[in-house]
Amino acid sequence: SQTIHQWPATLVQPVGSPLSLECTVEGTSNPNLYWYRQAAGRGLQLLFYSVGIGQISSEVPQNLSASRPQDRQFILSSKKLLLSDSGFYLCAWSVTSGSSDTQYFGPGTRLTVL
Amino acid sequence: AQSVTQLDSQVPVFEEAPVELRCNYSSSVSVYLFWYVQYPNQGLQLLLKYLSGSTLVKGINGFEAEFNKSQTSFHLRKPSVHISDTAEYFCAVTPGGSYIPTFGRGTSLIVHP
Repeated sequence: SQTIHQWPATLVQPVGSPLSLECTVEGTSNPNLYWYRQAAGRGLQLLFYSVGIGQISSEVPQNLSASRPQDRQFILSSKKLLLSDSGFYLCAWSVTSGSSDTQYFGPGTRLTVL
Repeated sequence: AQSVTQLDSQVPVFEEAPVELRCNYSSSVSVYLFWYVQYPNQGLQLLLKYLSGSTLVKGINGFEAEFNKSQTSFHLRKPSVHISDTAEYFCAVTPGGSYIPTFGRGTSLIVHP
């Protein structure tokens, strides 16, 4: 069966510090990978998605970046965090099947920038 | 482009009462429709999805949804809710042939004893 891991589960970082969040998927090959941010009281904002190694598409211009160094690994980074980067970060994967994709979400990382 | 509107940000209901969470969408192409549930401090889980066929879709935990093409709606229902159904519910649509979903802003279902 497929599983998705995210770490860390929670993170408190000062403004201006770097960030690295990691997501890994097990039990599937060549998944589509996604990073979402969920701010308090708001819906899901798609940040990045990837259809393959080294292929990253950005949905929202910001001070975040993403990388996919391996087929089932997706990393979200920042060189300098802003207060507005606080939120709940969710990684998800999907595999195209019959032209429809169900998304499977990780447990999330709660980021607080102080 | 497509959009998803969840008409209620919060729905309070008493235990064992029925509930309906509303979702409307707009799209210039055919779409696939999803409902996800998010319990506090967790990721989202798929409740049910509509791809084609019967417009009444049954999902996990006793939930069901009906696709209404003429009204562009995909409302979620449960005939009798439990305290454990308290969670955030998200409606999502994906255009046919795409792998990028559009999510609604979510509806918080609060079940009171």
